[in-house]
Amino acid sequence: KQEVTQIPAALSVPEGENLVLNCSFTDSAIYNLQWFRQDPGKGLTSLLLIQSSQREQTSGRLNASLDKSSGRSTLYIAASQPGDSATYLCAVMDGNNRLAFGKGNQVVVIP
Amino acid sequence: DVKVTQSSRYLVKRTGEKVFLECVQDMDHENMFWYRQDPGLGLRLIYFSYDVKMKEKGDIPEGYSVSREKKERFSLILESASTNQTSMYLCASSLWFGISARHPGAKNIQYFGAGTRLSVL
Repeated sequence: KQEVTQIPAALSVPEGENLVLNCSFTDSAIYNLQWFRQDPGKGLTSLLLIQSSQREQTSGRLNASLDKSSGRSTLYIAASQPGDSATYLCAVMDGNNRLAFGKGNQVVVIP
Repeated sequence: DVKVTQSSRYLVKRTGEKVFLECVQDMDHENMFWYRQDPGLGLRLIYFSYDVKMKEKGDIPEGYSVSREKKERFSLILESASTNQTSMYLCASSLWFGISARHPGAKNIQYFGAGTRLSVL
């Protein structure tokens, strides 16, 4: 069974610093990897999707990399802002359209 | 923009009641999903559906059932609510795997609703 781990569970950074969030997964037979953002009490918002054949995806200040062979993905957020404070979730999709989620990185950006 | 709408943001029910959670999506997606989210346990898949009247059990289907009579609507049913079903329930939808494979520009991103916080007393 696929297991997805996100470390650290929580972190705080000063505004302006770059954020680095790590995700690891146990089974490399994935179809894609998705990063989501969740604000307290709300649903999930998709940030980036990386197909299994890709190495990275970028959107604005966000960049996500994928190393399928080692079972790792990293989400970089450049020049963090207080509005980036949220929980970030990593999820991997199998060939049956099912996502396995990590438990998230809870981020606080300190003004 | 894709919209996934859950019928209620907050619900309070009593033990033993039958509870219906409704979810509607407007993007003609084949796949629809129900998750529950609990502190320390993360998101867990309850059921999903890849077509009308089709359903598959997820990781924690016990105590739940689902209904998909129309493509845009996916309902989660708690036959007899119990206190251990107090949770945040999230619905999601996505394109089917096969379609995105035939159309490389399409992505089967999962789009989520705002969630329903259910309390069972």
